Amino acid sequence: DIKMTQSPSSLSASVGDRVTITCRASQNIFSYLNWYQQRPGKVPKLLIYSAYILQNEVPSRFSGSGSGTDFSLTISSLQPEDFATYYCQQTYTGTSFGGGTMVEIK
Amino acid sequence: QVQLVESGGGVVQPGRSLRLSCAASGITFSSYALHWVRQAPGKGLEWVAVISNDGTSKYYANSVKGRFTISRDKSKNTLYLQMTSLRPKDTAVYYCARDQGEATNILDFWGQGTLVTVSS
Repeated sequence: DIKMTQSPSSLSASVGDRVTITCRASQNIFSYLNWYQQRPGKVPKLLIYSAYILQNEVPSRFSGSGSGTDFSLTISSLQPEDFATYYCQQTYTGTSFGGGTMVEIK
Repeated sequence: QVQLVESGGGVVQPGRSLRLSCAASGITFSSYALHWVRQAPGKGLEWVAVISNDGTSKYYANSVKGRFTISRDKSKNTLYLQMTSLRPKDTAVYYCARDQGEATNILDFWGQGTLVTVSS
């Protein structure tokens, strides 16, 4: 099974900050990597798929990069509605999620 | 608009069974694979099962294989998850989610979830 490891597990940031979350796969997953956002008490929402493709209606301040085993999600200027938990997901072999990164208000 | 509405959750004793439903609307039901994903209280996301758009292929997480069965009824536009031999570790919010296509495992739309609590 492919294990997905996210870091950090949580971070504190201020509105306007640039934030980067990383996700590492236990083996090469090429670009089969997606990112989801889950606001407190809400349903997960697809942000980015295939490592860098922005889902419809997702703001352009979100971006994804990486391939192989190392990936990142960047929020260029953190907005109040971006405080949430972010999950990566591999879809190369079956599917599995990372443990999540909670982005909290500083 | 796309709607996925789960139902059937509740409190159940260990070892008992429960069936979850997910009613879909606003989509061409037979065009998409469908998934169940769960989230234990305060924990992360765990993929549970997927069924292909035509219902012929089904895959399960190791943690539920042999105990859970995923199915779909195109006449009712409804996805199901039959859960047997339930364990306390199965306690979670269960979400149904639409695959972006026929078998991408990219989950582009999620229902609101239904809570299953396994406790004596």
